[in-house]
Amino acid sequence: DVKVTQSSRYLVKRTGEKVFLECVQDMDHENMFWYRQDPGLGLRLIYFSYDVKMKEKGDIPEGYSVSREKKERFSLILESASTNQTSMYLCASTKSGTGEAFFGQGTRLTVV
Amino acid sequence: RKEVEQDPGPFNVPEGATVAFNCTYSNSASQSFFWYRQDCRKEPKLLMSVYSSGNEDGRFTAQLNRASQYISLLIRDSKLSDSATYLCVVNTNAGKSTFGDGTTLTVKP
Repeated sequence: DVKVTQSSRYLVKRTGEKVFLECVQDMDHENMFWYRQDPGLGLRLIYFSYDVKMKEKGDIPEGYSVSREKKERFSLILESASTNQTSMYLCASTKSGTGEAFFGQGTRLTVV
Repeated sequence: RKEVEQDPGPFNVPEGATVAFNCTYSNSASQSFFWYRQDCRKEPKLLMSVYSSGNEDGRFTAQLNRASQYISLLIRDSKLSDSATYLCVVNTNAGKSTFGDGTTLTVKP
């Protein structure tokens, strides 16, 4: 059974903290993505990566950075968390050429 | 203008009804197209891929019109269990996936 695993289901962090969200996939997929999902705004792409050490900005990269040191792992970093980053964060991966995205279970982050 | 736009919904239909969702995309270089289903508080999961020739899976039919840059999803004989949010997804050849905002369907007894 294919799997994308996010390190936490729920997180509560304080404003100004540095936050790491981890995502691991076991399908040897080339492409990995980070989205945030907010009511009324749908899924918005933050960053994606199509290879190790490669990254591309999505539609809303401000306030975020990413790291892809290994093919199976894609990390999202909030350098200094702010309350407007309270959201559901979803990681996904795809194999190049097929396009089907597999999602992690999501991390609900609350910044207080 | 958003890259991928969907019918805003919500759609509230009785059991047994036929319902159709449309989705338009702006990038003519888009390569592949999908419909995903997302249940409340769950992650999106693939419902079906969309091909130019159209494809059918049971009560679900998906169509792609490249000339007009839209895709559609038709659900026949709606069931209560079809209640969910349906997301259209468009991929470029660079591997980027862009999601629509989703259309919420509620099927009522």
